[in-house]
Amino acid sequence: EVQLVESGGGLVQPGGSLRLSCAASGFSFSDHYMDWVRQAPGKGLVWVGRIRNKANSYTTEYVASVKGRFTISRDDSRNSVFLQMSSLKTEDTAVYYCARSYCTNDGCPTQLDHWGQGTLVTASS
Amino acid sequence: DIQMTQSPSSLSASVGDRVTITCRASQGIRIDLSWYQQVPGKAPKRLIYAASSLQSGVPSRFSGSGSGTEFTLTISSLRPEDFATYYCLQHNTYPYTFGQGTKLEIK
Repeated sequence: EVQLVESGGGLVQPGGSLRLSCAASGFSFSDHYMDWVRQAPGKGLVWVGRIRNKANSYTTEYVASVKGRFTISRDDSRNSVFLQMSSLKTEDTAVYYCARSYCTNDGCPTQLDHWGQGTLVTASS
Repeated sequence: DIQMTQSPSSLSASVGDRVTITCRASQGIRIDLSWYQQVPGKAPKRLIYAASSLQSGVPSRFSGSGSGTEFTLTISSLRPEDFATYYCLQHNTYPYTFGQGTKLEIK
């Protein structure tokens, strides 16, 4: 069974930093791309970014609103992906979800098909 | 960025009704579109991928269609567990973008 479990959320002051983790099990983690999506309280879903697999040099993509402040990384030996958030703003307050995707050189046959339960980040003084 | 315009933003319907939700992309995205259902307090669940392919385990009353810039999600006969919020997602071009959501409520 595919499982994704986020952790690391909490209360942080604006300008502070926080590192989220997502532990994966039940599938070949190292083959997959991993995404982060967030949802502010009472609002819609926003794609935050992606990290590709080793075959694609662990390259990353980000939405403009977090570029330069957030960094996605992964540790395939621990089946985990991370979201390092710095210079946090009040508008970063949200539930953060990780999700998996699978891509090959011919395209992405599956994108964001399984999601974790999310972890809440609150940036407030 | 590609804008995904989802309509309606809310919808009241009754059990047994047929409902359709639409997503329009600001530029062509082929069939690189998924639909998700979200129940309050839970993670989104993928229903449809590649615009019209039914996710394994999802009831056949859900269907998707479209390509290019216009897409629809149809629920053929609403059941009580279908009252939730639905989102489309384009994964053709970075940054990936979601529609703003459609809240489906019981009439």
